[in-house]
Amino acid sequence: KNQVEQSPQSLIILEGKNCTLQCNYTVSPFSNLRWYKQDTGRGPVSLTIMTFSENTKSNGRYTATLDADTKQSSLHITASQLSDSASYICVVSEKGGYNKLIFGAGTRLAVHP
Amino acid sequence: EAGVAQSPRYKIIEKRQSVAFWCNPISGHATLYWYQQILGQGPKLLIQFQNNGVVDDSQLPKDRFSAERLKGVDSTLKIQPAKLEDSAVYLCASSISGPTDTQYFGPGTRLTVL
Repeated sequence: KNQVEQSPQSLIILEGKNCTLQCNYTVSPFSNLRWYKQDTGRGPVSLTIMTFSENTKSNGRYTATLDADTKQSSLHITASQLSDSASYICVVSEKGGYNKLIFGAGTRLAVHP
Repeated sequence: EAGVAQSPRYKIIEKRQSVAFWCNPISGHATLYWYQQILGQGPKLLIQFQNNGVVDDSQLPKDRFSAERLKGVDSTLKIQPAKLEDSAVYLCASSISGPTDTQYFGPGTRLTVL
């Protein structure tokens, strides 16, 4: 069964600190992997999208990595800010047909002053 | 560029009542998605349209949920009759041509079934 598992479920860090969120997937065949940020009460917003051949992609203070061999991805947040408090969702696209998207449950990040 | 619009933003109904949600995707986006997001979980795809045709509705509870996308632009999602477990946020998203493109999400409609 195609699944996307994220860890930790929730995380609290102090402003200015770095953190890393994990995503493991069993989706096959693989098309791409995305990270979304979802603020409370809002729809998800795309941060990065990576294909099989890409192993790192940055968007400002967000850096995503992908290891297609081990089927693992991480999202690293540098110098966290209060506005980074949100849920971060990992989404993997299954290759073929209409490229079905499989969502993880998300990691809820709280950045405290 | 205007984003994905959804209405209403909030809705409270009693179980067994009916409810409808509306979505206006980004202009020119061929693909439209409806997701159900239960509190603390990731979004679950209910239905995916390519223009005005259904591409995937495998997770849509068809005995009570229906959706349409007339003329390949706006879409409505209906629940009839609602159950307590339908309480969730209903997200609409659109993309230019398909799931390999970036999806843009609307703000969602928060449904509470009492």
